[in-house]
Amino acid sequence: EADIYQTPRYLVIGTGKKITLECSQTMGHDKMYWYQQDPGMELHLIHYSYGVNSTEKGDLSSESTVSRIRTEHFPLTLESARPSHTSQYLCASKGVRTEAFFGQGTRLTVV
Amino acid sequence: QKEVEQDPGPLSVPEGAIVSLNCTYSNSAFQYFMWYRQYSRKGPELLMYTYSSGNKEDGRFTAQVDKSSKYISLFIRDSQPSDSATYLCAMRSGTSGSRLTFGEGTQLTVNP
Repeated sequence: EADIYQTPRYLVIGTGKKITLECSQTMGHDKMYWYQQDPGMELHLIHYSYGVNSTEKGDLSSESTVSRIRTEHFPLTLESARPSHTSQYLCASKGVRTEAFFGQGTRLTVV
Repeated sequence: QKEVEQDPGPLSVPEGAIVSLNCTYSNSAFQYFMWYRQYSRKGPELLMYTYSSGNKEDGRFTAQVDKSSKYISLFIRDSQPSDSATYLCAMRSGTSGSRLTFGEGTQLTVNP
């Protein structure tokens, strides 16, 4: 079983609030990813990192930002949440000899 | 045109049926192929991966890759209600740092 954890699992927050979604993995993987997935829809890559101090934007434009100060930690931040940010956010990590493993996701609702 | 095409379904089968899930792709650089299973409100779970053309079997699951036709399949034998989930195909090239490209996912329901 993959050791990648996301917190919180569910979050309901008001418009304009700043939020940080946490993602941690204990597998020592260099590569980490954030995906956004609306119900019944495909995954869209919004951010990725190939190691400490390396972050890149993904295929889907996002108003969120990420940081990678430690290998095991890849938090995603929304400075000012809006209802359009309501979605499921999935974090994943990948090692040199493994494929990507996903966390359980954070389901965000902005009211 | 999307790089990876997958029929979103939904697909509904009786318990015990053989299920065939398929994806086609257009990028000939894709060399590594994965299938993920995603239960409702959960993250995708890596089910199978294969790196070459041909078949790979794991219990009731068989992954098939045909690189010449750019076509991959997942077969589920003796399907169970617990197999009810969305199945996502994913693939990537062999270059260092290559990212996964996902299909849209096929929603499967196995009826008891």
